[in-house]
Amino acid sequence: DSGVTQTPKHLITATGQRVTLRCSPRSGDLSVYWYQQSLDQGLQFLIQYYNGEERAKGNILERFSAQQFPDLHSELNLSSLELGDSALYFCASSVGGQTFYEQYFGPGTRLTVT
Amino acid sequence: QQPVQSPQAVILREGEDAVINCSSSKALYSVHWYRQKHGEAPVFLMILLKGGEQKGHEKISASFNEKKQQSSLYLTASQLSYSGTYFCGTEVPGNQFYFGTGTSLTVIP
Repeated sequence: DSGVTQTPKHLITATGQRVTLRCSPRSGDLSVYWYQQSLDQGLQFLIQYYNGEERAKGNILERFSAQQFPDLHSELNLSSLELGDSALYFCASSVGGQTFYEQYFGPGTRLTVT
Repeated sequence: QQPVQSPQAVILREGEDAVINCSSSKALYSVHWYRQKHGEAPVFLMILLKGGEQKGHEKISASFNEKKQQSSLYLTASQLSYSGTYFCGTEVPGNQFYFGTGTSLTVIP
């Protein structure tokens, strides 16, 4: 158990809908990262927040957005969902503000878009 | 931009050694190694920084050739628990991070 929690574990929704994935980092960690893992594209970095501020942005679609709240939990919002958005979404956290330092991953949210 | 790993897959007997390579087309600030077992989240193994600093698990070793933009992960005296998919992650200029193509490692008795 990494100490990072993600909810929900599974999510099934229809095309065109909007969903919110939630992540709570390990106690003491200030950085949160979001990743998407799919069979065709592998593990892709989406975005990083450090202490409430966006720190780095990867291959995140405009339909996706994220934020980190004062209590350091983070949410990833996915809108206008398409079939191709079906994937495993991981959140990770790290203690420091250095970009991409050692990261501890949560168990993931499996999103299925039908 | 996605680093390429080799080999794609490897099967070992317990006690054998393996090397997994990661090659990037971009200059690297750091290289990370993670292991992911089927149905689970990636687990941090090691980070190698420009300048030679390393941090990771005791039984794992790795190298980082900054000039060649390559890293190698060395697994010695493999155990059944080493089975999984190994990913390198590369931090490149512009605050970007890319995971590699993955190497499937299977250790058999």
